[in-house]
Amino acid sequence: GAGVSQSPSNKVTEKGKDVELRCDPISGHTALYWYRQRLGQGLEFLIYFQGNSAPDKSGLPSDRFSAERTGESVSTLTIQRTQQEDSAVYLCASSLVYKNYGYTFGSGTRLTVV
Amino acid sequence: ELKVEQNPLFLSMQEGKNYTIYCNYSTTSDRLYWYRQDPGKSLESLFVLLSNGAVKQEGRLMASLDTKARLSTLHITAAVHDLSATYFCAVDSNSGYSTLTFGKGTMLLVSP
Repeated sequence: GAGVSQSPSNKVTEKGKDVELRCDPISGHTALYWYRQRLGQGLEFLIYFQGNSAPDKSGLPSDRFSAERTGESVSTLTIQRTQQEDSAVYLCASSLVYKNYGYTFGSGTRLTVV
Repeated sequence: ELKVEQNPLFLSMQEGKNYTIYCNYSTTSDRLYWYRQDPGKSLESLFVLLSNGAVKQEGRLMASLDTKARLSTLHITAAVHDLSATYFCAVDSNSGYSTLTFGKGTMLLVSP
């Protein structure tokens, strides 16, 4: 597609439930990133995929968080046993390997844990 | 660990005035990005700065990069209300797995 597509745009879930967030990057972009943005805050790096290389998971805040990516296409971010502190906007971005053209962000998924 | 600091974090200014937002970072990098975020929206790319001394301008915004000082500036000329938004700088680390590290953002409010 023309841009980075994320779904759902909004998700309200009960504490303790699992959620799955989806990101569809720009076609041809081999790099894909997940970030978290808490209300009024900057962006916090979560995980990075580059082609078929092992992902950089160094930003995942706990083992309740995991992400997968199929080849160079769709990625899913899964949060198990959600907690209220997981409430945030989860942003996905993609880029070419050659990052001089920058990163393109999706519109995000607003997750609210009640 | 790469750290990125922006200041000010909040800026209230009148239309027609000029101001500069500063972005300092802690380790060597030669790629710096500026983004704009409107409330409830995603990030819109404004500038990509790739080398020491790079200067880019778009409308009333001008960004520059000094890699020796590890400093980027975003200068606003003759502000208008439509520029009200939060502006983020982000720096790419020079490591093999490069990822963006963001500043906390500068919330800009331009009033008549």
